Amino acid sequence: QKEVEQNSGPLSVPEGAIASLNCTYSDRGSQSFFWYRQYSGKSPELIMSIYSNGDKEDGRFTAQLNKASQYVSLLIRDSQPSDSATYLCASGAGSYQLTFGKGTKLSVIP
Amino acid sequence: EPEVTQTPSHQVTQMGQEVILRCVPISNHLYFYWYRQILGQKVEFLVSFYNNEISEKSEIFDDQFSVERPDGSNFTLKIRSTKLEDSAMYFCASRRDRGQDGYTFGSGTRLTVV
Repeated sequence: QKEVEQNSGPLSVPEGAIASLNCTYSDRGSQSFFWYRQYSGKSPELIMSIYSNGDKEDGRFTAQLNKASQYVSLLIRDSQPSDSATYLCASGAGSYQLTFGKGTKLSVIP
Repeated sequence: EPEVTQTPSHQVTQMGQEVILRCVPISNHLYFYWYRQILGQKVEFLVSFYNNEISEKSEIFDDQFSVERPDGSNFTLKIRSTKLEDSAMYFCASRRDRGQDGYTFGSGTRLTVV
């Protein structure tokens, strides 16, 4: 069974610091990986996608993928209080569906 | 920016009743999905729909559920004979192609079965 595991948190970081969120996945056939941000009571919002080993940067966000270790991470630089949300990791294996983790709750303290 | 639109935002129904959740995907998207999220739980895949037919479905998507694209814009999820455990947020999502695009999720319908 395909699983995506995340530390549920909460992860608390001070404003301006780097927040580091981690995710592992079980399906070695997974080819695409996504980070979504979800505010309480709202729908998931796509932040980053990554498909190849290494780093991918977009503004304050950097996604990292290590397929050998089946590990995905998201770094948020210069964290802001508005970044406080639950971050969902998801993987896709070439099929139609995505498998989501339960999410890590991030709290950025002013 | 294009959006996926879902209606209603909140639906309360009595156990055993039928509900229809509605979605208008982004106009040039070809792949459509329903996911659900029980309060405090993971986002779970229900079904994917492409070329006017179901392409994949999960174990959750049993005979109680059905999907339809009745016209060129709407995409619906019907739940027959709702149960208390069907209470959840239901998200519609779409994407342009099957490859590497992430989904765009709609704002969701909160279904409460009483």
